[in-house]
Amino acid sequence: EAGVAQSPRYKIIEKRQSVAFWCNPISGHATLYWYQQILGQGPKLLIQFQNNGVVDDSQLPKDRFSAERLKGVDSTLKIQPAKLEDSAVYLCATGEAGGYGYTFGSGTRLTVV
Amino acid sequence: QKEVEQNSGPLSVPEGAIASLNCTYSDRGSQSFFWYRQYSGKSPELIMSIYSNGDKEDGRFTAQLNKASQYVSLLIRDSQPSDSATYLCARWGADGLTFGKGTHLIIQP
Repeated sequence: EAGVAQSPRYKIIEKRQSVAFWCNPISGHATLYWYQQILGQGPKLLIQFQNNGVVDDSQLPKDRFSAERLKGVDSTLKIQPAKLEDSAVYLCATGEAGGYGYTFGSGTRLTVV
Repeated sequence: QKEVEQNSGPLSVPEGAIASLNCTYSDRGSQSFFWYRQYSGKSPELIMSIYSNGDKEDGRFTAQLNKASQYVSLLIRDSQPSDSATYLCARWGADGLTFGKGTHLIIQP
């Protein structure tokens, strides 16, 4: 089966610019998560979708971050405006409804300069 | 925030020995637990899951869970240089999957 697809793999932007990341889940996976992983730390959950509805976005900095999952399939995560501390790897993970283990995409490494 | 604590290491183990990785968690409502392996510059890869107290073995890997002590461990037998990576402990609950910061494991040839 095809894995979780993410793009772009790398992105370098200046602070105050905007950026968007894209995730395409494994076919049939109802649950989709966006994680932020800062160097040397574990992944931190930003937002969880079940189909096209938001389950948990309590840790999403909503003043600058937004995410959507149209039609319950692909998802995009946007940052506007970016700050230096947003430099991290942004990981998308998907799983089956009610499933516990997730499959991660290869991630997008964001550098804000 | 449901906490997951791990010693960041590095943990250095000779090749062929047993590597023991430990993790504690704060939320007694946590339902299941996972160990992910992450190579430098790569995304996390699921290697073990455990849901009930006791041991679960899969090849060279054994996961151990003690819910009374809120403690999870991972044993890697016959450690190989290819096992050198960061190992992330995670718990799953109603709020999704929460990760620890990971333990950096180095297997010395």
